[in-house]
Amino acid sequence: AQTVTQSQPEMSVQEAETVTLSCTYDTSESDYYLFWYKQPPSRQMILVIRQEAYKQQNATENRFSVNFQKAAKSFSLKISDSQLGDAAMYFCAIEASSWGKLQFGAGTQVVVTP
Amino acid sequence: DTGVSQDPRHKITKRGQNVTFRCDPISEHNRLYWYRQTLGQGPEFLTYFQNEAQLEKSRLLSDRFSAERPKGSFSTLEIQRTEQGDSAMYLCASSLDQANSYEQYFGPGTRLTVT
Repeated sequence: AQTVTQSQPEMSVQEAETVTLSCTYDTSESDYYLFWYKQPPSRQMILVIRQEAYKQQNATENRFSVNFQKAAKSFSLKISDSQLGDAAMYFCAIEASSWGKLQFGAGTQVVVTP
Repeated sequence: DTGVSQDPRHKITKRGQNVTFRCDPISEHNRLYWYRQTLGQGPEFLTYFQNEAQLEKSRLLSDRFSAERPKGSFSTLEIQRTEQGDSAMYLCASSLDQANSYEQYFGPGTRLTVT
């Protein structure tokens, strides 16, 4: 069985500051992908960033970057220069190439204060 | 790229009634997924299709649930004899099955309320 754990139900950050969301996972698969999805209130889920497990280099997308520690099965998301539009629920997810489905964590609510 | 669309966006039904939801994936995507999301939780996998073939169903998908994807295009999810526990957001996603690409694109969801 695959599990994804997000231990922070809510994180608060001031505009222009940096926040890091934690995610740990467990899988016996060797070929898998990790994702962070953003779900704003009453809006659809969108992909923020993805990481292939076979790549050692951490993925970066503009102000979003990950710290992927494969041995520790850890996949944290860093949001730099936070903006009001970053306020949303963030979900960590894993998909193995053999599964065809995403396994999500419970989510972390990000609150951005002016 | 018109994105993944779902219809209806909201559905209120009485317990015991049948409901059907529709999902239209991104046109060139051959994989289509259904997830269920309850308040404050992450989405849970229900089932997925590759073209018209239903490849996997979760244990969450009881006998009252059925999904189809005729001709490998749009998909429908039907819930028979709805129960209050079926109240949730039903999300559809699609992806293109190709090497090194497993990115799923989500629709806006159908929010079901069973009274």
